[in-house]
Amino acid sequence: DIQMTQSPSAMSASVGDRVTITCRASQGISNYLAWFQQKPGKVPKRLIYAASSLQSGVPSRFSGSGSGTEFTLTISSLQPEDFATYYCLQHNTYPWTFGQGTKVEIK
Amino acid sequence: QVQLQQWGAGLLKASETLSLTCGVFGGSFSHYAWTWIRQPPGKGLEWVGEINHSGNTNYNPSLKSRVTISVDTSKTQFSLKLSSVTAADTAVYYCARATDRMGVEYWGQGNLVTVSS
Repeated sequence: DIQMTQSPSAMSASVGDRVTITCRASQGISNYLAWFQQKPGKVPKRLIYAASSLQSGVPSRFSGSGSGTEFTLTISSLQPEDFATYYCLQHNTYPWTFGQGTKVEIK
Repeated sequence: QVQLQQWGAGLLKASETLSLTCGVFGGSFSHYAWTWIRQPPGKGLEWVGEINHSGNTNYNPSLKSRVTISVDTSKTQFSLKLSSVTAADTAVYYCARATDRMGVEYWGQGNLVTVSS
C-alpha cells in the first residue's frame, strides 16, 4: 500500500495566518492527489483535485501544489470557517489511501 | 446535480453482516467508480473499495476477505456487504462517486454503523 504521511498532525493558528499542510507519499503518485476538509459531524468536502486544481465553489485562498511524492495544501489567510480537519487522498494506486489528517485549531 | 443517498442497518451484533445501499440520483451511472469509504469514530478515513458500472471491483486488501460490493444499474444503486463484523468495524460508512483520474468527488450523507459485542 502507498503510505500517505501528513504533517503536522495538528496545529494552532490565528485568523489571517498562512497555513501549509504537507502530504508525502511513500512512492510516486504523479498528481493523483486530492485534499478534503472535514468539520465535526459533516461529510468531507473536496477542496483540491489533481494536486493543484481548485474545486468549483471553493475560495481562492485554498491552493494545492506538488507532484510525485510531496504535496502541499496552503490556506493563504485563515478564516474562522476554515478550522477543521484536512485529509489528503492518493488515487494513483489501489488501495487508495488517505493521510491521517491535520486538525487546524484556533490559537 | 448529483446526489447520493444511502441507507442500511445502523446497529449490528458481532459476527453479523453489515449491509448498506447507496442510490444515485442525477448524472450518468456509467464511467464512474462507485466507492465506499469508512471512518471510525474520532479517527481518519479508510477507503473500503469500489465497483464500476460493469461490475469490476477493487477492494482494500485489509478487508478483502469480508467485503462485497455490488451494483444494480437498473436501479442506479450500489451496495456494500461486510461479513463477520466486529467492534473494529464500527464506523461512519460513506458511499461516494469517483473516477481514477479525478478521485472522489461526490459523497453520500454517511451512515453510522455500530457493532455491539
